[in-house]
Amino acid sequence: SQTIHQWPATLVQPVGSPLSLECTVEGTSNPNLYWYRQAAGRGLQLLFYSVGIGQISSEVPQNLSASRPQDRQFILSSKKLLLSDSGFYLCAWMVNTEAFFGQGTRLTVV
Amino acid sequence: GIQVEQSPPDLILQEGANSTLRCNFSDSVNNLQWFHQNPWGQLINLFYIPSGTKQNGRLSATTVATERYSLLYISSSQTTDSGVYFCAVVGSESNYQLIWGAGTKLIIKP
Repeated sequence: SQTIHQWPATLVQPVGSPLSLECTVEGTSNPNLYWYRQAAGRGLQLLFYSVGIGQISSEVPQNLSASRPQDRQFILSSKKLLLSDSGFYLCAWMVNTEAFFGQGTRLTVV
Repeated sequence: GIQVEQSPPDLILQEGANSTLRCNFSDSVNNLQWFHQNPWGQLINLFYIPSGTKQNGRLSATTVATERYSLLYISSSQTTDSGVYFCAVVGSESNYQLIWGAGTKLIIKP
């Protein structure tokens, strides 16, 4: 069966520090992969999606970047975090239009 | 693009009550999913239901694609049903992006 791993679960980082969140998928090949962000009490905002290795599309201009070095690995990064980067980050994969989500990373930038 | 509207935005019920959540969408879709976001933020897949009716325990869902709506039924509510319920669709013109409703926040009181 397919599973998705996302870590860490929580993260507190100072302003100006770098960020790296990793997501890996098991049990499927060539999935579409996604990074979402959710502000407190609000809906999900699509940040990046990828339809294949090295193929990244950005939905929102921001302080973040994404990479897909392997078929089932998706990484969200930042060189210098801002206070506004705080939020709940969710990785997801989709096959045949059905989506599944990781457990999320709650990022607090202080 | 496709618009997704959920109603009601908020719902407070006593334990044991039944509820119906609605999702309207503005155009034809390839997929419709219902998710439950628990108080810890985890997004749990409830139903993948582009059309028809499905049941899973106390929960059931019906999508009438020709009339562009879906209903989620929760019977005999329990406190663990609390959280936010999201409806999300994949439009027929795009197989990669989920379009989200704003969610229904459900509170079940003991």
